[in-house]
Amino acid sequence: AQSVTQPDIHITVSEGASLELRCNYSYGATPYLFWYVQSPGQGLQLLLKYFSGDTLVQGIKGFEAEFKRSQSSFNLRKPSVHWSDAAEYFCAVGLGGYNKLIFGAGTRLAVHP
Amino acid sequence: DAGVIQSPRHEVTEMGQEVTLRCKPISGHNSLFWYRQTMMRGLELLIYFNNNVPIDDSGMPEDRFSAKMPNASFSTLKIQPSEPRDSAVYFCASGGNSNQPQHFGDGTRLSIL
Repeated sequence: AQSVTQPDIHITVSEGASLELRCNYSYGATPYLFWYVQSPGQGLQLLLKYFSGDTLVQGIKGFEAEFKRSQSSFNLRKPSVHWSDAAEYFCAVGLGGYNKLIFGAGTRLAVHP
Repeated sequence: DAGVIQSPRHEVTEMGQEVTLRCKPISGHNSLFWYRQTMMRGLELLIYFNNNVPIDDSGMPEDRFSAKMPNASFSTLKIQPSEPRDSAVYFCASGGNSNQPQHFGDGTRLSIL
């Protein structure tokens, strides 16, 4: 069965530090992969997506993610975290022609000043 | 451009009452998705439509839940009768073809007393 695993439920980093959020997926075919961010009381905002081509994708707000087929991973990175990045981050895999999304459980990011 | 619009933003009602959540997708998008988000179960896909036709409703928890999409610009999710365990944030999302990501509304926070 298709699934998405985000091993870290909660991460705390200092402002200015680098960040990596982990995501592993289980899917038989080449997946469509997404990272979304959710601020409190808000909907989910798309950070970036991978469909094909270059395995390093750039997104909004200075985020990037790298697709590694051999590791079934799609980790999200940011070189220098800002306090406004505190939010919950969701990795998702899209299935089939309608892009039905399967979400991970999310990683809640806290940023210390 | 207007995003996905959901109403109401908040709903508080007593158990047994009928609840209707509304969604206006982004113009031109032909897929619409309803999700439920809870602390215990995370983000769950309830049902999705393509070209106003329900494609997969396997995520709908019970017969008390129903969804309709009478036209390309409007969808409803109805719970009748409502129960306290239905309390959650319900999100609507819309998308284009399979190469386009889903865009989420800000959600409806539903509390059943």
